Amino acid sequence: DAGVIQSPRHEVTEMGQEVTLRCKPISGHDYLFWYRQTMMRGLELLIYFNNNVPIDDSGMPEDRFSAKMPNASFSTLKIQPSEPRDSAVYFCASSLDTGWNYEQYFGPGTRLTVT
Amino acid sequence: GQQVMQIPQYQHVQEGEDFTTYCNSSTTLSNIQWYKQRPGGHPVFLIQLVKSGEVKKQKRLTFQFGEAKKNSSLHITATQTTDVGTYFCAGPWAGTYKYIFGTGTRLKVLA
Repeated sequence: DAGVIQSPRHEVTEMGQEVTLRCKPISGHDYLFWYRQTMMRGLELLIYFNNNVPIDDSGMPEDRFSAKMPNASFSTLKIQPSEPRDSAVYFCASSLDTGWNYEQYFGPGTRLTVT
Repeated sequence: GQQVMQIPQYQHVQEGEDFTTYCNSSTTLSNIQWYKQRPGGHPVFLIQLVKSGEVKKQKRLTFQFGEAKKNSSLHITATQTTDVGTYFCAGPWAGTYKYIFGTGTRLKVLA
């Protein structure tokens, strides 16, 4: 199993540019989560999907952030326009609802730097 | 909203010493998870606890869920340099799949 795949692994962009982060969850998993990690704020849940449907996006910082999951094997997190304070590591995670175990499998993350 | 706090924030130990991190939730949890994140890496699931007062062991790691299901602890016996990393607890918010991660405890092991 390839695990959760994220791309790109590193992204450096200038303020005002659009940034798109990509995630491929583990095949068969029905939950997908987007997290942001910074030193100041720790690991924050931005949004999560169940069977491709957004369930809770209350963690999305503002309208500049949007996330989609067009099918079970692909999700994107878009920031437009990007700002320096968006610099962080963004993790995608997926899990399978077994009814008793809710283990999340994290991808390697995308380190975003906005200058 | 729900908060999950961990103490200590940092811990430096000599190799071979024991280590404990504590996790406290502002609300009762249906379950609690523990993750480990190596420097530069991503969080990796360690364990999930469900029952009140539950204790689980994984080799040198002992996990405990409090009787009131609002706190938990992770104890490492005889730390090794491979234990270096940040340990997070995480609890579901109001019975949803939205897991709130704790503030983390960063462990450094001095050889």
